[in-house]
Amino acid sequence: GAVVSQHPSWVICKSGTSVKIECRSLDFQATTMFWYRQFPKQSLMLMATSNEGSKATYEQGVEKDKFLINHASLTLSTLTVTSAHPEDSSFYICSPQGGAPNYGYTFGSGTRLTVV
Amino acid sequence: GQQLNQSPQSMFIQEGEDVSMNCTSSSIFNTWLWYKQDPGEGPVLLIALYKAGELTSNGRLTAQFGITRKDSFLNISASIPSDVGIYFCAGQGQGGGADGLTFGKGTHLIIQP
Repeated sequence: GAVVSQHPSWVICKSGTSVKIECRSLDFQATTMFWYRQFPKQSLMLMATSNEGSKATYEQGVEKDKFLINHASLTLSTLTVTSAHPEDSSFYICSPQGGAPNYGYTFGSGTRLTVV
Repeated sequence: GQQLNQSPQSMFIQEGEDVSMNCTSSSIFNTWLWYKQDPGEGPVLLIALYKAGELTSNGRLTAQFGITRKDSFLNISASIPSDVGIYFCAGQGQGGGADGLTFGKGTHLIIQP
């Protein structure tokens, strides 16, 4: 159980463009989705939390207009990095929450975003 | 905000040696977790701890949830080459499933043949 699919695994985009990252929970319903960011050689930092059908809540210092989160269904959430800049280059990882207790602690495989 | 202090930052050991790493926090967590992350991949859950004082094993791995709920340790016995990677502790606050995780800065395990 607790199978999470995240796509794409890596993406390179030009400054000013937008990139969409998808996260799917394949065998359980994710009532909550957590999005994390990890800069090189650093730890994971929580960016935002979204509940299905509701607006996401963002951690301090994370711009909600830059990182658009959609959690329209219990199995899919998307993170869109809008008007990307080189400083947005990072490793983005999702973690759906739902079902059995351990199902809240599984992560996607991550998306390496490079903005050039 | 909450912070986790994880140590050591890195470990250079010989294959077959035991490994120990720990995390401390300035605040209480209801759940402690230990993850391993390989380069370019998401973290993989190794052990989850839910009760103060709990001691849990997963193969050669053993972890404990400190009595004060402010610390945890992870031991790896008889290390093997595939144990190489970065290990993270993580804590979840009193909001339970509504709370995201706070991560330590990681312990980089390097095994010398």
